[in-house]
Amino acid sequence: RKEVEQDPGPFNVPEGATVAFNCTYSNSASQSFFWYRQDCRKEPKLLMSVYSSGNEDGRFTAQLNRASQYISLLIRDSKLSDSATYLCVVNRSNSGNTPLVFGKGTRLSVIA
Amino acid sequence: ETGVTQTPRHLVMGMTNKKSLKCEQHLGHNAMYWYKQSAKKPLELMFVYNFKEQTENNSVPSRFSPECPNSSHLFLHLHTLQPEDSALYLCASSQDWGRLGSGNTIYFGEGSWLTVV
Repeated sequence: RKEVEQDPGPFNVPEGATVAFNCTYSNSASQSFFWYRQDCRKEPKLLMSVYSSGNEDGRFTAQLNRASQYISLLIRDSKLSDSATYLCVVNRSNSGNTPLVFGKGTRLSVIA
Repeated sequence: ETGVTQTPRHLVMGMTNKKSLKCEQHLGHNAMYWYKQSAKKPLELMFVYNFKEQTENNSVPSRFSPECPNSSHLFLHLHTLQPEDSALYLCASSQDWGRLGSGNTIYFGEGSWLTVV
């Protein structure tokens, strides 16, 4: 099983739609979780951290389910500018120095 | 404007050439990273430097040679590369190498697109 798995998509949704992505991780010791956004031919940029209690930032909501080992990203009222690849990122452990592990990303295309 | 700047943005080199990628961060961070991103693959960590000291070498071939003269600058020296090394090379930085978490994550430069011919 891959350490971080995401559905590559693409997810093609109309403007205004609500879309959700899931990401599963294999290491139960993982402690920190993030969603990054990567536009075509650009660098990844931090979208939001994912907290245990779930968190919201405007139209974006992130959730963590430790029991099932997945995180999710919900985008409400999709905009054309939301079109991008969304990368799930997991830190293996909070003890010691460990690298972040990136998923391959889920591609979202919002259509007018 | 990004806090992590990379040059050159695009590089085409022959297999016998020697070239270098440069990265500078203006965020006051202590850790710097090189990542490789190839088509249809996840980001691959190559090297980590923490307070100028190399702490991770992720089994990278010796034709890639990193150099970190100080906490703000990172280089990737390239020599006798192969066509399969063509990729986007991303530099990143974070406050610390250890205890990456919600208040401490990594920030990327715009990347250097490398084509080996």
